Amino acid sequence: AQSVTQLGSHVSVSEGALVLLRCNYSSSVPPYLFWYVQYPNQGLQLLLKYTSAATLVKGINGFEAEFKKSETSFHLTKPSAHMSDAAEYFCAVSEGGNTPLVFGKGTRLSVIA
Amino acid sequence: NAGVMQNPRHLVRRRGQEARLRCSPMKGHSHVYWYRQLPEEGLKFMVYLQKENIIDESGMPKERFSAEFPKEGPSILRIQQVVRGDSAAYFCASSPSRGQSSPLHFGNGTRLTVT
Repeated sequence: AQSVTQLGSHVSVSEGALVLLRCNYSSSVPPYLFWYVQYPNQGLQLLLKYTSAATLVKGINGFEAEFKKSETSFHLTKPSAHMSDAAEYFCAVSEGGNTPLVFGKGTRLSVIA
Repeated sequence: NAGVMQNPRHLVRRRGQEARLRCSPMKGHSHVYWYRQLPEEGLKFMVYLQKENIIDESGMPKERFSAEFPKEGPSILRIQQVVRGDSAAYFCASSPSRGQSSPLHFGNGTRLTVT
């Protein structure tokens, strides 16, 4: 069965600094990978997805993620943090078909002025 | 184009009462998923439904919980005889097609509080 591990439940960065949120997955087949963002009292919004095309995936709001099969990782990055990036970020994996999307426990990103 | 609509946004129930959570998927979406979110635990899959069919209920507790997605109307997640441990945020998501390569579109959730 697939699983996701997000390293660091809370990450704090200064405004303008690099954002790096870590995600490692486990899957018995080539996975589909997703990053979602959740703002307070809202649902999840899709940031980006990997579906076996290019290994570097660009998403909304300047975020991107790189699929590294050898490391079973799908880390999320943004070159320069903005105050509006403060939110909770979830990595998720699916093995396709009817298998449900499995989420990590989330990483809360704080941006310091 | 309206997104996934969930109601109510907040629901308070006393122990032993029933809770009904409603979800209207995005227009054109016939696949509905329910997830539960507890603090510090992320989202846990509960059930996957298509119109009039339960496809996967492997995440549903065996007792007190049920879900439906009728031919007409919203999907309903029903919790009978609620207990304090049922307090959580419940999210519904929809997708236009079968399989998880299509991203899920989430509603804003129903926050259930059991007193």
